[in-house]
Amino acid sequence: DTAVSQTPKYLVTQMGNDKSIKCEQNLGHDTMYWYKQDSKKFLKIMFSYNNKELIINETVPNRFSPKSPDKAHLNLHINSLELGDSAVYFCASSLRGRQYEQYFGPGTRLTVT
Amino acid sequence: LAKTTQPISMDSYEGQEVNITCSHNNIATNDYITWYQQFPSQGPRFIIQGYKTKVTNEVASLFIPADRKSSTLSLPRVSLSDTAVYYCLVGDFSLTGGGNKLTFGTGTQLKVEL
Repeated sequence: DTAVSQTPKYLVTQMGNDKSIKCEQNLGHDTMYWYKQDSKKFLKIMFSYNNKELIINETVPNRFSPKSPDKAHLNLHINSLELGDSAVYFCASSLRGRQYEQYFGPGTRLTVT
Repeated sequence: LAKTTQPISMDSYEGQEVNITCSHNNIATNDYITWYQQFPSQGPRFIIQGYKTKVTNEVASLFIPADRKSSTLSLPRVSLSDTAVYYCLVGDFSLTGGGNKLTFGTGTQLKVEL
């Protein structure tokens, strides 16, 4: 039973395209996150949602738009993809009172050509 | 969030105990110390969290001196499968705390050999 799942695992696309990454968690958590890990392995938070409400929005281009249809899902839509968007994107979840203990998904490797 | 400093890499052999130290001189009163582990091509995994003295679970121990300006993650009897990057994070993750986000540094790449 997968706790935090992401689809797709790999995504190769061309510059200018729009793509989405889906995330689902079955842990009953109420907070979900998106992280970006670049080629130098730096892992940085992008967004955080608690009970479908945006609570963290780091300095991310507005081409990135998260959507949380319910507590168990947090999808990431990216418009007008750029070369610099190539990275591994991780979804994570936690309980609001235990933000220090986050459960990460397997990651989605996005390659923009 | 308090800035952390860890060694970039460490090498060890199977069966040895590994201690990874993290410096966090500017740790605040409400900050907790948390460690994560990341295997290649996987997301990070929570290992342990502590505030002071010693915390132990089935995976590791965390030692925090009285001044809390540093902490040491101790992995007993490592195996090849413990080869990973280990991240030390410091922050206030309470409900009332403003630091409700994890900030990952460069981590420590631990390599375990036979």
